[in-house]
Amino acid sequence: AQTVTQSQPEMSVQEAETVTLSCTYDTSESNYYLFWYKQPPSRQMILVIRQEAYKQQNATENRFSVNFQKAAKSFSLKISDSQLGDTAMYFCALLNRDDKIIFGKGTRLHILP
Amino acid sequence: KAGVTQTPRYLIKTRGQQVTLSCSPISGHRSVSWYQQTPGQGLQFLFEYFSETQRNKGNFPGRFSGRQFSNSRSEMNVSTLELGDSALYLCASSKISGGAVDTQYFGPGTRLTVL
Repeated sequence: AQTVTQSQPEMSVQEAETVTLSCTYDTSESNYYLFWYKQPPSRQMILVIRQEAYKQQNATENRFSVNFQKAAKSFSLKISDSQLGDTAMYFCALLNRDDKIIFGKGTRLHILP
Repeated sequence: KAGVTQTPRYLIKTRGQQVTLSCSPISGHRSVSWYQQTPGQGLQFLFEYFSETQRNKGNFPGRFSGRQFSNSRSEMNVSTLELGDSALYLCASSKISGGAVDTQYFGPGTRLTVL
């Protein structure tokens, strides 16, 4: 069975600090995608970053980067220089070739002023 | 380019009624997926449509159905509403790459409340 696990239900960090959100997953596929989505209080789900499993290089989008460890099936998100606008629920997601996205339960991140 | 749009944004229904939700994908995106989001169960996959055909279905009862039109717009229908159907229903659209779904982009959701 395919699973996505986010072990940190809630986190708080001070503005400008760096924070890392954890995600582990399980799949029998060799070719898949991993995503981090952000859902702010407005409820709009926004794509933060995407990683293709066949790419060894970790994806980066401005202040957001991932640490993709394929063998360990780990996919953590690092947010550098955190901002108040980063306050949101963050979901880790796995997309296999069967076209179903599996989401983790989410990590609620609070950026404190 | 316009994003995914969903209508209506909010709905209040009573038990036993039926409801239809609409989703317009990003232009050029031919795959539309639907998800139910609740505090208890999180985000759960309902179904995915491509070229007017349902390609994948999650573990939901037959009261939940959908369809896709030739312009890729999709509708989702829930019949005989139950209190437990109260949720945020999210639609996501994507391109198809190599026959499979690519990155999904989400709409703002429809908040359904069943009384």
